[in-house]
Amino acid sequence: DIQLTQSPSFLSASVGDRVTITCRASQAFSSSLAWFQQKPGKAPKLLIYATSTLQSGVPSRFSGSGSGTEFTLTISSLQPEDFATYYCQQLNSYPLTFGGGTKVEIK
Amino acid sequence: EVQLLESGGGLAQPGGSLRLSCVGSGFNFSNYAMSWVRQAPGKGLEWVSVINDRSSSTNYAESVRGRFTISRDNSKNTLFLQMNSLTADDTAVYYCAKGPVARQLGPWGQGALVTVSS
Repeated sequence: DIQLTQSPSFLSASVGDRVTITCRASQAFSSSLAWFQQKPGKAPKLLIYATSTLQSGVPSRFSGSGSGTEFTLTISSLQPEDFATYYCQQLNSYPLTFGGGTKVEIK
Repeated sequence: EVQLLESGGGLAQPGGSLRLSCVGSGFNFSNYAMSWVRQAPGKGLEWVSVINDRSSSTNYAESVRGRFTISRDNSKNTLFLQMNSLTADDTAVYYCAKGPVARQLGPWGQGALVTVSS
């Protein structure tokens, strides 16, 4: 199984900050990595798939990059509606696995 | 617009059974693999199971293999999850999701809460 480790698990930031979340995999794989945003009481929302492809309707301040065992989600200028928990997910092989999540809170 | 609506959640006793359903609309349901993902209270996301478009292939997380069965009825645009031998560790919100397809899993339904308790 591919284990995904996200860091940090908690992040305190201000509106306008640039934020980077890292997802490290226990083994290298191709570009089948996705990022989700989840707000309290809501279903996760797909932000980015195939490492760097922005899902339709997602603001361009979100971007993804990486390869091999290290992937990143960057929010270029944090907005009030971005305070949420973010998860990475690998779709390279079964079982599909998720990172432990990164909670982004207001400083 | 793609919509997924889960139902069938509720309270079950340890050792009991429950069957979840997920009705899809806004897309050609019979052309897509479908998945279940769960989230225990206050915890992260855990993928549970997947079924391909024709029901010829399924896969399960180790934690549910042998106890849960995924199935679908394409004539009714409906995905199912039969859950047997439930334990407290199965308490979670269960989401159905379209895919995976083209390295995407989504969109997701709003979720169905399953509580296993005596």
